[in-house]
Order: sequence, then C-alpha cells, then structure tokens
Amino acid sequence: EAQVTQNPRYLITVTGKKLTVTCSQNMNHEYMSWYRQDPGLGLRQIYYSMNVEVTDKGDVPEGYKVSRKEKRNFPLILESPSPNQTSLYFCASSEDWGLNTEAFFGQGTRLTVV
Amino acid sequence: AQSVAQPEDQVNVAEGNPLTVKCTYSVSGNPYLFWYVQYPNRGLQFLLKYITGDNLVKGSYGFEAEFNKSQTSFHLKKPSALVSDSALYFCAVRANTGGFKTIFGAGTRLFVKA
Repeated sequence: EAQVTQNPRYLITVTGKKLTVTCSQNMNHEYMSWYRQDPGLGLRQIYYSMNVEVTDKGDVPEGYKVSRKEKRNFPLILESPSPNQTSLYFCASSEDWGLNTEAFFGQGTRLTVV
Repeated sequence: AQSVAQPEDQVNVAEGNPLTVKCTYSVSGNPYLFWYVQYPNRGLQFLLKYITGDNLVKGSYGFEAEFNKSQTSFHLKKPSALVSDSALYFCAVRANTGGFKTIFGAGTRLFVKA
C-alpha cells in the first residue's frame, strides 16, 4: 500500500530534550516536506526537500532541522524543543517538485513539550 | 508574497443541499491551486487541483471547484452535501514565483446536518 508513515503518532517530552520524528514514504517520491498544524493558522511549511541532499526552509523553520540522506526518509529533528513547538506535525510527499503535483500526507504526530 | 484566505471558519449545511467552501488567493505569478480534506485523527487527503485552462475542476467524492481569475478565487462546491462530507477543508496555493513552498489557508470546518 502506498503510504507516508510517521513515527511516533504521539509524543510528550520535556523542554530541551532532543527528539526526532521519522517520516518514510514507499512511493519513490522526490519531494518531501514537513508541516505544523495549529488552530486558526492552518498548515505552515517547516522545511521541504526536492531530492536527496537537497533541503530548503519553509515559512517556519526556526528550531527545526531536517536531513534527506535517502530518498524515502525525511526525519524532523528538534534539537532543543520548547513549549511553543507543541503542535500537530505532518509529513508529506509528492511524486516530483512540479508546482501542480499534489501531496500525500502521513497521519500526523501530536507533540507536546512541557 | 503568496497568501491564501478561507474567510469562513465554519460552514453549516443541511444534507442534500449544495455546499460552497470559499477560498481566495494572492500570488504574483501563475497560481497552482489545491483542495485537501482532513477527517478526524487523519492526515490530509487530496481532493482536486486547478489545471490551467479548466475553470471548473472535478475531483474526488463528487466535489468540484470553480477557478475565477478576475476574483482570484477557487471555491469548492458540491451539488448535494452528505453527512459524511463533514470535515476540515484546506485550500492551498503554489506559484512559480514562490519557490517550491506551499501555502495553506487556515481551514474551514464543514458541518453537514442530517
């Protein structure tokens, strides 16, 4: 089954404790991205990657890191999480980076930083 | 800068009635427009996208969207609403002047009453 898989689905952590949210897709997609969803703000793009070793900032990159060492994986790293990073996070992938290509989303990771 | 506005936080319709969820956009280049739907505890699912030249776009689950260049709008419509259409709907835009980012609206919650 074609899918984007995120782990974990739920995570509660403490301020400053480094964490990684994994994302993997099995569709051989080139383009991957991370979003955070907050009430009243919709989805905001954190980082995106057009292919292996090619990443760029979205609209809200502060406090996050990403890497794309393999085509299928795109982990999101929070080096020192803070409470304002409490949010619902989604990973997405697209077949290519063409502007008219739709995205496939993972099921989300609900992160709480206390 | 690109932006998307969904002017209604919530839309209420009776089952069997037509529904419209509004979206307006602002881009400096050619717009690439999308609608996604989010059901509870799920990731976003692609509904439809604007393809240049087709002002009326048909998508999944009987939804369609009307592109209006002069009004910079891309409203989502369905002739006859179902209770199962109740969900959170997001409009998104990409543009050839915006790099490879995707901008989402804040979302509109649709309630369909039986």
